Amino acid sequence: AQKITQTQPGMFVQEKEAVTLDCTYDTSDPSYGLFWYKQPSSGEMIFLIYQGSYDQQNATEGRYSLNFQKARKSANLVISASQLGDSAMYFCAMREGTTSGTYKYIFGTGTRLKVLA
Amino acid sequence: GAVVSQHPSWVICKSGTSVKIECRSLDFQATTMFWYRQFPKQSLMLMATSNEGSKATYEQGVEKDKFLINHASLTLSTLTVTSAHPEDSSFYICSARKTSGGAHIQYFGAGTRLSVL
Repeated sequence: AQKITQTQPGMFVQEKEAVTLDCTYDTSDPSYGLFWYKQPSSGEMIFLIYQGSYDQQNATEGRYSLNFQKARKSANLVISASQLGDSAMYFCAMREGTTSGTYKYIFGTGTRLKVLA
Repeated sequence: GAVVSQHPSWVICKSGTSVKIECRSLDFQATTMFWYRQFPKQSLMLMATSNEGSKATYEQGVEKDKFLINHASLTLSTLTVTSAHPEDSSFYICSARKTSGGAHIQYFGAGTRLSVL
């Protein structure tokens, strides 16, 4: 079973509109972290936002917010007021503990977002 | 934020030669760094976890004698692709883990595009 699932391979959004990128996860670790990264065509991975499993409130960072629904095991990224520069690949990732006491990071397959002028 | 520098950003080499890629955390210390490989239009594939002062932990299927990892200091990890072959051509990207307030966030370098002729 997939640990991180991003069901939208591609998305379009009109400039200045909001867009939601979906991410669901699967873990039995009660203490985990969820991340979103942006990868523009240049290739670098840019950290956007983090949500801890015990965080009571949804994380927000500027125009980015994470809609964390723990019971549904979903961690959707919401980008408000989309800009042309938001066009990129977006990866959802999860950090969970391992039996050896270390952490393991798992990445989804990504969603390619295209912002239209 | 946190800055991770990866060098070189692009390298072409002849088959049979070795290539060294450096990953530096510029403004924080990282006991743990990660090396990923990414094929076109695919997600990140974790190759190994680099631990400062100890041996790297390789993922299943990754040849440790082929991909040598050294994490000699808290700010530097290197990946050496030994006796490179055309099938090693790929995008390699490193990350350094920064711990802040209980969150363990990976910050990525800009990646290295390796082309083996």
